[in-house]
Amino acid sequence: NAGVTQTPKFQVLKTGQSMTLQCAQDMNHNSMYWYRQDPGMGLRLIYYSASEGTTDKGEVPNGYNVSRLNKREFSLRLESAAPSQTSVYFCASSEAHWGYEQYFGPGTRLTVT
Amino acid sequence: KQEVTQIPAALSVPEGENLVLNCSFTDSAIYNLQWFRQDPGKGLTSLLLIQSSQREQTSGRLNASLDKSSGRSTLYIAASQPGDSATYLCAVKGKSTFGDGTTLTVKP
Repeated sequence: NAGVTQTPKFQVLKTGQSMTLQCAQDMNHNSMYWYRQDPGMGLRLIYYSASEGTTDKGEVPNGYNVSRLNKREFSLRLESAAPSQTSVYFCASSEAHWGYEQYFGPGTRLTVT
Repeated sequence: KQEVTQIPAALSVPEGENLVLNCSFTDSAIYNLQWFRQDPGKGLTSLLLIQSSQREQTSGRLNASLDKSSGRSTLYIAASQPGDSATYLCAVKGKSTFGDGTTLTVKP
């Protein structure tokens, strides 16, 4: 089992460009999450999907959109990238919402110039 | 708003020493608490999950405790090894709030 996979691993964007970060899990988990990690600010939740067909905002949703494509896949879209979105983005999944162990992907390192 | 604090921010110990990492949280209404390790440039690896109804969990040389009433969790690492060097993060689940982590260095 690959667990949680993310693509791409690295990306450089110019301000105003758009892109989609992809995440997939092969553990048949119901819940999926997107976080960003910044020095001195820890990991912060952007959006989550408690189950297929649902999405909810986390702590820092502004500037992002998400799509739960199916049970396996959860994508994060930046419509108009800003330098403040330079960060490392992690996708995670769990068997069900909150009460279960979370498993993380390897991350996507995004730089916006 | 839940706040999670991990002290110390960094810790350096000689190989073989037993050590304790601390995690404090402000709101005791939590579902569970999870400890992770993160190696430089990598994702998070789950170490232990403690449900709100539990007091402790053990896995190998690791033991995590939870005291909801005082808003504290500790991660005990026995007989530390250089391979334990990493950043250790705790996450409190209610709204999934992470601490900033403790960076551990174990010297041979």
